[in-house]
Amino acid sequence: DTGVSQDPRHKITKRGQNVTFRCDPISEHNRLYWYRQTLGQGPEFLTYFQNEAQLEKSRLLSDRFSAERPKGSFSTLEIQRTEQGDSAMYLCASSRRGQPQHFGDGTRLSIL
Amino acid sequence: GESVGLHLPTLSVQEGDNSIINCAYSNSASDYFIWYKQESGKGPQFIIDIRSNMDKRQGQRVTVLLNKTVKHLSLQIAATQPGDSAVYFCAERGNDMRFGAGTRLTVKP
Repeated sequence: DTGVSQDPRHKITKRGQNVTFRCDPISEHNRLYWYRQTLGQGPEFLTYFQNEAQLEKSRLLSDRFSAERPKGSFSTLEIQRTEQGDSAMYLCASSRRGQPQHFGDGTRLSIL
Repeated sequence: GESVGLHLPTLSVQEGDNSIINCAYSNSASDYFIWYKQESGKGPQFIIDIRSNMDKRQGQRVTVLLNKTVKHLSLQIAATQPGDSAVYFCAERGNDMRFGAGTRLTVKP
């Protein structure tokens, strides 16, 4: 399978804990995106990388959220001091310039 | 503010009929539009896209129509099949990629 891969698929944690998600994009895609999706809603943009540079961050991305793409390949999204409101599906997508984004199947985060 | 929205949250069709899913957008600067299909427990799957310099684009069993005058986008699915049952999102690219809330398509056998 050469699509976008996300790990883990599910994460259950207690409020206040830190969590980290990983995304492996399609190998020839230099652009990588993180989204958050809650039940019954469309994905909401969080942040975007071109190669290793983080070019854009949404106001939704509070100080507790940090994303990295150190070598321009895989990316990680970390949430510190998780809160109930962080419960959502976190989606990663990748693309080449001018091409549609292709999504992974997401990491579902549940905060107890 | 700018937003992407869908006219109907749910759509139910008979197997074999054609489906039309509509989407309104308000950012006149958006230059690129995409339709995605999302099945339960999976990420959005690309269906078809259209650039703002076009008004129609056809794929396999799907057609996207873009009316820039009224800022309206539609997805037509021909001969709808049970496997088409999913939530469909339109997305527009302006300063970033924005998604609507989605329409749930249910195909009755």
